[in-house]
Amino acid sequence: GAGVSQSPSNKVTEKGKDVELRCDPISGHTALYWYRQSLGQGLEFLIYFQGNSAPDKSGLPSDRFSAERTGGSVSTLTIQRTQQEDSAVYLCASSPLAGTSNQPQHFGDGTRLSIL
Amino acid sequence: AQRVTQPEKLLSVFKGAPVELKCNYSYSGSPELFWYVQYSRQRLQLLLRHISRESIKGFTADLNKGETSFHLKKPFAQEEDSAMYYCALSSLGGNQFYFGTGTSLTVIP
Repeated sequence: GAGVSQSPSNKVTEKGKDVELRCDPISGHTALYWYRQSLGQGLEFLIYFQGNSAPDKSGLPSDRFSAERTGGSVSTLTIQRTQQEDSAVYLCASSPLAGTSNQPQHFGDGTRLSIL
Repeated sequence: AQRVTQPEKLLSVFKGAPVELKCNYSYSGSPELFWYVQYSRQRLQLLLRHISRESIKGFTADLNKGETSFHLKKPFAQEEDSAMYYCALSSLGGNQFYFGTGTSLTVIP
């Protein structure tokens, strides 16, 4: 595709429900990143993938958060038993090559998650 | 711990005036510093990175290791510069990125 695609663009759900957010990176991009942007906060780094593996999951806020990537392409971020503090914009980014931080990240439009 | 600080949440300047967006960092290793920008209704995108030593849209940023700063500067602000600016840090050759809280720049006509 032309850029990083995220779906859904908006998600409203009730507290306690599970949600799944999807990121489709630019074709051929090895590295994939998830961030969270809360109101008034900067971008909080959650996790990155190098291919299908996630070397460091320490950025995930709690064990309710998990992410996977299959086929070196699409990634899903799952939040179980959502809480109101999970409300935020979740951004995905991809870059051509992992291990070289001077590669620019290409961001998606984000998923705006609202927990009622 | 790695940390990026942008002390100004909001910054307003008049068109044609110089602008400086401040960024300070705390990092124990060799950092790579970036500025990302998000214009209204557009995606977050890379503006510049310190290793390139380039000027993009008239903006420059110099890494000052002594002061642990990476301030973004432009001598003459334009209305189209109004946007949200994020300073970011990564370890040299690393994959984790740390962003500041952002500075919203408004250029007044």
